[in-house]
Amino acid sequence: ERVMTQSPATLSVSPGERATLSCRASQSVSGNLAWYQQVPGQAPRLLIYGASTRATGIPARFSGSGSGADFTLTISNLQSEDFAVYYCQQYNNFPFAFGGGTKVEIK
Amino acid sequence: QLQLQESGPGLVEPSGTLSLTCTVSGGSISSSIYYWGWIRQPPGRGLEWIGNIYYVGTTYYNPSLKSRVTISVDTSKNQFSLRLNSVTAADTAVYYCARHGDYYDSRAYYDYWGQGTLVTVSS
Repeated sequence: ERVMTQSPATLSVSPGERATLSCRASQSVSGNLAWYQQVPGQAPRLLIYGASTRATGIPARFSGSGSGADFTLTISNLQSEDFAVYYCQQYNNFPFAFGGGTKVEIK
Repeated sequence: QLQLQESGPGLVEPSGTLSLTCTVSGGSISSSIYYWGWIRQPPGRGLEWIGNIYYVGTTYYNPSLKSRVTISVDTSKNQFSLRLNSVTAADTAVYYCARHGDYYDSRAYYDYWGQGTLVTVSS
């Protein structure tokens, strides 16, 4: 089973700045990595799949990179609606696994 | 527009069985390129993958829950269901149903989610 570890647990960022979130897999997941955004009280929303491809309707300020076991989600020019919790998920192998999440909060 | 909607009891007694149904609208659950899954989230915590099902009935489960969980599909009703036996307070969570693409084509990311339903295990 692959274990997904996200860091940091909480990231304090000012609006307009850049946030860099990390996700590490215990074994390679190739490029089969997705990122989701979750606003309190709502279901997660797909942001990135294939490690770096933005989902439909996702703004260009969201970008993903990495392959193998180390991945990064970068949010540039943070907007008020971007303050949320972000999860990574590997879908390279069953059982699928989510990371523990990174909360991006207003500094 | 595809929509998924969870339904079922919001309160289950300890040692009982949790049963939820996900109704899919705006698309067919019998599509050959999609799988249907359950994910849960305990209050204030992260997401936990429960398992998936393909329309012909093939299932994949989280090993930590495998002895207690059953996912089934009813193509005639465009629904799939979750049963979790011998529940405890640790099973209290928001339960989401969701869709993902073809696992064998590296498209198994969840692109559509239900709104989620809170199930509390308590007497």
